[in-house]
Amino acid sequence: AQSVTQLGSHVSVSEGALVLLRCNYSSSVPPYLFWYVQYPNQGLQLLLKYTSAATLVKGINGFEAEFKKSETSFHLTKPSAHMSDAAEYFCAGINFGNEKLTFGTGTRLTIIP
Amino acid sequence: GAVVSQHPSRVICKSGTSVKIECRSLDFQATTMFWYRQFPKQSLMLMATSNEGSKATYEQGVEKDKFLINHASLTLSTLTVTSAHPEDSSFYICSARHRGARNSPLHFGNGTRLTVT
Repeated sequence: AQSVTQLGSHVSVSEGALVLLRCNYSSSVPPYLFWYVQYPNQGLQLLLKYTSAATLVKGINGFEAEFKKSETSFHLTKPSAHMSDAAEYFCAGINFGNEKLTFGTGTRLTIIP
Repeated sequence: GAVVSQHPSRVICKSGTSVKIECRSLDFQATTMFWYRQFPKQSLMLMATSNEGSKATYEQGVEKDKFLINHASLTLSTLTVTSAHPEDSSFYICSARHRGARNSPLHFGNGTRLTVT
């Protein structure tokens, strides 16, 4: 079964600094991977998805992620953090033919003014 | 974009009562919907997969008699928490996928905060 691991339950960056949220997947078959963002007391919003096309995926709000098979990673980045980026971020994966989405444990991003 | 509506957003009920949560796909048909539960500061745990016109598939450890799921149409799934207890207090989130798009992203509702007193 597909599983994803997020390193770092909390990440703090200064406003304007680079954001890097880490996600590694475990699967012998390249999975479909997603990053979601959750604001307090709200559902999840899709940031971006990887579905075996381009390895560098651009999403909303200036976020992007790169699929690296050699590292089994799908880290989320943003060049310049904004205060509105403060939220919980979840990496999720799904294997082809399996509809169940597996979530990482989440990373809370704090932006320092 | 695709929208999933979840209602109510917050509900407070007394112990022993039942609560129904609705999940609707507003602009697409969803043969499959998923129900998740999220404890404070934790990730989402899949509770069950709701299939239109058939019985739901529950994850291991989830009581099917306590968490009743009905998926009567291609746009509506309901989760009923029966005989609620304080330990059922949690954030419940539904999600849906476009009909016929098995590996496309899930679209999520805004969640329901259930508090059982």
